[in-house]
Amino acid sequence: GAVVSQHPSWVICKSGTSVKIECRSLDFQATTMFWYRQFPKQSLMLMATSNEGSKATYEQGVEKDKFLINHASLTLSTLTVTSAHPEDSSFYICSARSPRELFFGEGSRLTVL
Amino acid sequence: TQLLEQSPQFLSIQEGENLTVYCNSSSVFSSLQWYRQEPGEGPVLLVTVVTGGEVKKLKRLTFQFGDARKDSSLHITAAQPGDTGLYLCAGADGNYGQNFVFGPGTRLSVLP
Repeated sequence: GAVVSQHPSWVICKSGTSVKIECRSLDFQATTMFWYRQFPKQSLMLMATSNEGSKATYEQGVEKDKFLINHASLTLSTLTVTSAHPEDSSFYICSARSPRELFFGEGSRLTVL
Repeated sequence: TQLLEQSPQFLSIQEGENLTVYCNSSSVFSSLQWYRQEPGEGPVLLVTVVTGGEVKKLKRLTFQFGDARKDSSLHITAAQPGDTGLYLCAGADGNYGQNFVFGPGTRLSVLP
């Protein structure tokens, strides 16, 4: 199957700093990527849809200025958690869409101290 | 708003037992995917079903798409501890399957 890579897989940062997470589709071009947040023992919560060359579409309740998404190329989308606080600690997962299927990255665990 | 329900939400069984997980909706999907997620990792695609009534087998796993393309099931034969994980179903809708809806997941634990 297609490969989607996320980096970093684990990041620990101090409160108030910004953290960037990258999502790459390695063997196919993805005009659309998705960012999710997952709390322990729960399913995926869609945060936003990232569209190449245009602004991301955010789900209700997700702060645009807090979670900056950039999809500058057909193989790369980035999520920047700005001025991170402990409540932003979570498991963040991206996915990239092929014509019919979603392929997920490995996930990035963010811990904000 | 489309919703996908999964049942059971939690399942703990002994190694060697069989089990079935269900994914149900009142909406029609153009395709449906099953994923397995292990702790600390992203979901891994197991299968995609597209045609109503379609049955796909992946070793000990059997997937079926309902005739009306509103529901699906995942049957595992002779479960093994390696099958432990969170099983997610996701339905794709729209003319080009551009929208994906996820179920809440079934957390399976297979005890040795």
